[in-house]
Amino acid sequence: GAVVSQHPSWVICKSGTSVKIECRSLDFQATTMFWYRQFPKQSLMLMATSNEGSKATYEQGVEKDKFLINHASLTLSTLTVTSAHPEDSSFYICSDTPPGQGSYEQYFGPGTRLTVT
Amino acid sequence: AQSVTQLDSQVPVFEEAPVELRCNYSSSVSVYLFWYVQYPNQGLQLLLKYLSGSTLVKGINGFEAEFNKSQTSFHLRKPSVHISDTAEYFCAVSLQGGSEKLVFGKGTKLTVNP
Repeated sequence: GAVVSQHPSWVICKSGTSVKIECRSLDFQATTMFWYRQFPKQSLMLMATSNEGSKATYEQGVEKDKFLINHASLTLSTLTVTSAHPEDSSFYICSDTPPGQGSYEQYFGPGTRLTVT
Repeated sequence: AQSVTQLDSQVPVFEEAPVELRCNYSSSVSVYLFWYVQYPNQGLQLLLKYLSGSTLVKGINGFEAEFNKSQTSFHLRKPSVHISDTAEYFCAVSLQGGSEKLVFGKGTKLTVNP
């Protein structure tokens, strides 16, 4: 399958600081990428859909001012957790999907573990 | 809205035994169905998907799943498991004709014991 990279793989930050997570689509130009959040021993919850060249679409209950998403190029989407709090500690996973119709398949990055102290 | 129910949160089995991981979904429209596997501290890897056609879908690592529309189920099976199959398995759906948004079940932790 296609390769998606995330950086960093893990990060520890202090409460009140901001953290940026990068997601790169390495095998194709992804107009759409997704950001998920996964709490320990739980499922993935879609946070937002990242659209290249336009604003991200956030799921209900996700604070758009806290989780800033930028999709400035066809191969890079970033998630910035602003003013991080300990409850933001989680595993963040991005995915991309091949352009066009017919695939309905997502390729997932390896995830970024965020710990806020 | 769609929802996915994975009936078993944990499934322990012995090596070389068969296994079935259950998945039921709820949707008012037709859906596509997926099974993903997640190894510890890693992202998800697609095992198999059902888009259309034959209701029996074969995937990687010897897994297969059967789509049953009347029972709204998409159970995952493997006739003989290996220690290396120990992982978390997620069932997911997306709307036909909609975006590629996935709705995931809560996952089933498969533990294969020697």
